[in-house]
Amino acid sequence: GQNIDQPTEMTATEGAIVQINCTYQTSGFNGLFWYQQHAGEAPTFLSYNVLDGLEEKGRFSSFLSRSKGYSYLLLKELQMKDSASYLCAAMDSNYQLIWGAGTKLIIKP
Amino acid sequence: IAGITQAPTSQILAAGRRMTLRCTQDMRHNAMYWYRQDLGLGLRLIHYSNTAGTTGKGEVPDGYSVSRANTDDFPLTLASAVPSQTSVYFCASSQGEGGGYTFGSGTRLTVV
Repeated sequence: GQNIDQPTEMTATEGAIVQINCTYQTSGFNGLFWYQQHAGEAPTFLSYNVLDGLEEKGRFSSFLSRSKGYSYLLLKELQMKDSASYLCAAMDSNYQLIWGAGTKLIIKP
Repeated sequence: IAGITQAPTSQILAAGRRMTLRCTQDMRHNAMYWYRQDLGLGLRLIHYSNTAGTTGKGEVPDGYSVSRANTDDFPLTLASAVPSQTSVYFCASSQGEGGGYTFGSGTRLTVV
């Protein structure tokens, strides 16, 4: 079957670094996406990885290991506005996204 | 402004009533999707369309129907609403074959 696992909730301190892990199992693989979703709003695109390695985009970086079925999202210099849910999604052989349930990130001052 | 428009933003609906949620995109994306999002369950795919004129069933299609008469519009119909269909509904689109998804702002539906 197809499955995405990520922690339900994480807490971090403003200014710190946090890593959100995601493991996936899909029928075929066409890339790994991370989305950010603030409460009451729609998900918005953060990153896309299809090759192994680290992709850096400002304060956010995303890593992929295809052999391990593993990805992480790294958030640096945390700000209060980073409090949100972070959704991991893997694209299967039919180019459809399989979604994790999301990780709620709580930032404390 | 390019993007996806959903209507209505929110709705309270009596059980047994018929309801159509509207979704329109102006990005000329081939693929469109309807999801429902419930607390703790994440996004669950209801129906999808890879191109105009075709539709397919997702993970939770029962009680819902869709049509894709043209590229821009992808309405979702609840034929006879039930309380378990209370949820937030998101429409999304993508160019397909590896493209990321763009989401509408959602419809919050309460069935009483």
